[in-house]
Amino acid sequence: EAGVAQSPRYKIIEKRQSVAFWCNPISGHATLYWYQQILGQGPKLLIQFQNNGVVDDSQLPKDRFSAERLKGVDSTLKIQPAKLEDSAVYLCASSLAGRTSYNEQFFGPGTRLTVL
Amino acid sequence: TQLLEQSPQFLSIQEGENLTVYCNSSSVFSSLQWYRQEPGEGPVLLVTVVTGGEVKKLKRLTFQFGDARKDSSLHITAAQPGDTGLYLCAAPARQLTFGSGTQLTVLP
Repeated sequence: EAGVAQSPRYKIIEKRQSVAFWCNPISGHATLYWYQQILGQGPKLLIQFQNNGVVDDSQLPKDRFSAERLKGVDSTLKIQPAKLEDSAVYLCASSLAGRTSYNEQFFGPGTRLTVL
Repeated sequence: TQLLEQSPQFLSIQEGENLTVYCNSSSVFSSLQWYRQEPGEGPVLLVTVVTGGEVKKLKRLTFQFGDARKDSSLHITAAQPGDTGLYLCAAPARQLTFGSGTQLTVLP
């Protein structure tokens, strides 16, 4: 079974530029998550989708971050404009529909973003 | 303040040694998960504990959920270089919340 796919794996940009990340979840997984993992910290949830609807985006900096999940499958996360503090690994995860605490989340390899 | 405090932050040991890492909180949780993350990869779920006092074993790894469901520990027996990685505990709050992790290095 194919895992969660993410691209690109690495991205280097200058501050104030824009960047987009792509995620393809495991087939059949209704729930998709985007996390930000700053070096030395655990992942922090940015946004959670159930099919193509947003379940939780309370920690998404909406002035610069946006995400969409068209047709309830692939998802893109965009940052515009980027700041130095956005340097992090951006992880996508997916799970079967249901309660977060019991449903296993499967993570992709992440995109490492460096903002100069 | 972190919801989940993990200790130690870093641990470097020799192959064959035993070790314990901890995950503590002042909050009570319905369940707690442990993940391992290797460099350049996403976290992988190791175990979910749901009952206070529960002990689960996964080969050389033993996970325990505290009686009050506020803390958990992970014990590794006879550590191997393949155990090297970032060990993260996570608990459902408003969403799944991760600790900062313990970076374990097992030297051959």
